[in-house]
Amino acid sequence: NAGVMQNPRHLVRRRGQEARLRCSPMKGHSHVYWYRQLPEEGLKFMVYLQKENIIDESGMPKERFSAEFPKEGPSILRIQQVVRGDSAAYFCASSLGLIENTGELFFGEGSRLTVL
Amino acid sequence: GENVEQHPSTLSVQEGDSAVIKCTYSDSASNYFPWYKQELGKRPQLIIDIRSNVGEKKDQRIAVTLNKTAKHFSLHITETQPEDSAVYFCAASKGSNYQLIWGAGTKLIIKP
Repeated sequence: NAGVMQNPRHLVRRRGQEARLRCSPMKGHSHVYWYRQLPEEGLKFMVYLQKENIIDESGMPKERFSAEFPKEGPSILRIQQVVRGDSAAYFCASSLGLIENTGELFFGEGSRLTVL
Repeated sequence: GENVEQHPSTLSVQEGDSAVIKCTYSDSASNYFPWYKQELGKRPQLIIDIRSNVGEKKDQRIAVTLNKTAKHFSLHITETQPEDSAVYFCAASKGSNYQLIWGAGTKLIIKP
């Protein structure tokens, strides 16, 4: 099992460009979570998705950010018209089922976005 | 809403000594409490977790204790080693929900 795979690991964008971050969950996992982490800070929940459904996007900014988890393919976190404040590490995690039932979140290595 | 507070933000201990990190939560319905370790530049990884029907759990040098009445739980690391240096995050499940509420993290420094 390859674990949670994220790409790209590092992404550099200029202000106003778009950033697309991809996440393939662990095999058999249908629950995907995206977190954002600024340097020296904690994990901030952004969005929770299951296949083809957004379950909770309460942590995601209303504008410029969107996420999807299609029936086929990886989950995508999309940031349009990036600004310097979007520079952060974006972690994806997956779980087998509901956290309370199956416990562990498995994290990817993260995608580090730098906005120039 | 649910809130998780974690203390201290930074902890420096001598190699071989014990380290204790504490978290408090606000939602009495929370019933799952994991601890994650994040080494510099790496991903967070689960090191130990506890459910609300248990008061203590131990795995070699690490242990977690839970006080449901006081709504706090703690991570204990004994005989600390250099490889224990990392940021440690506590979290609490949001009641009968799917989401974890995270503490702000504790940077543990092991002094040689």
